[in-house]
Amino acid sequence: AQSVAQPEDQVNVAEGNPLTVKCTYSVSGNPYLFWYVQYPNRGLQFLLKYITGDNLVKGSYGFEAEFNKSQTSFHLKKPSALVSDSALYFCAVRDNTNAGKSTFGDGTTLTVKP
Amino acid sequence: KAGVTQTPRYLIKTRGQQVTLSCSPISGHRSVSWYQQTPGQGLQFLFEYFSETQRNKGNFPGRFSGRQFSNSRSEMNVSTLELGDSALYLCASSYGTGTNEQYFGPGTRLTVT
Repeated sequence: AQSVAQPEDQVNVAEGNPLTVKCTYSVSGNPYLFWYVQYPNRGLQFLLKYITGDNLVKGSYGFEAEFNKSQTSFHLKKPSALVSDSALYFCAVRDNTNAGKSTFGDGTTLTVKP
Repeated sequence: KAGVTQTPRYLIKTRGQQVTLSCSPISGHRSVSWYQQTPGQGLQFLFEYFSETQRNKGNFPGRFSGRQFSNSRSEMNVSTLELGDSALYLCASSYGTGTNEQYFGPGTRLTVT
């Protein structure tokens, strides 16, 4: 069975500071990892994904994520947070042996204060 | 391209009734997945359809069912509604599965009274 853990329900950072939203996963086969963001009263939007190759992937709005196989982690990062980054962030995993099923974490609410 | 559309956006139903939700994927996308989103349970996978075939199913009772049509549009049906079925139901489409990211619709907010 595949699973995703987002250990922090809430992350608070000051505008201009770096941010990290944590995600760890468990799958049977090779992982396909995704980050999505949900802004208030808006649908879920794709941010970035890791499939294979370079462990550091870059995505929309200046976000990036680092895949760490030994730690089974895929943390989302941004060098300088903006107030407009405040939203609910979801990490998701797919397994290459069960490619149609996505498992999502419980979400992390990011609040960036001016 | 137009995004994923879901109808209706809001529904209020009574316990015991049934409901059908509709999802139109992005043109060219053949995979449609359904999720239930609640404050307490997060995003829970319901099922996934690809080319009219259900390929994956989550841990939901048989009251939850779905189908996909030849134009990739999908419907989800919930019979004998319970209060606990109140949730935001999200549809997501993707070109394929596995490596492809999903594009989500705005959701249908179902309230069961």
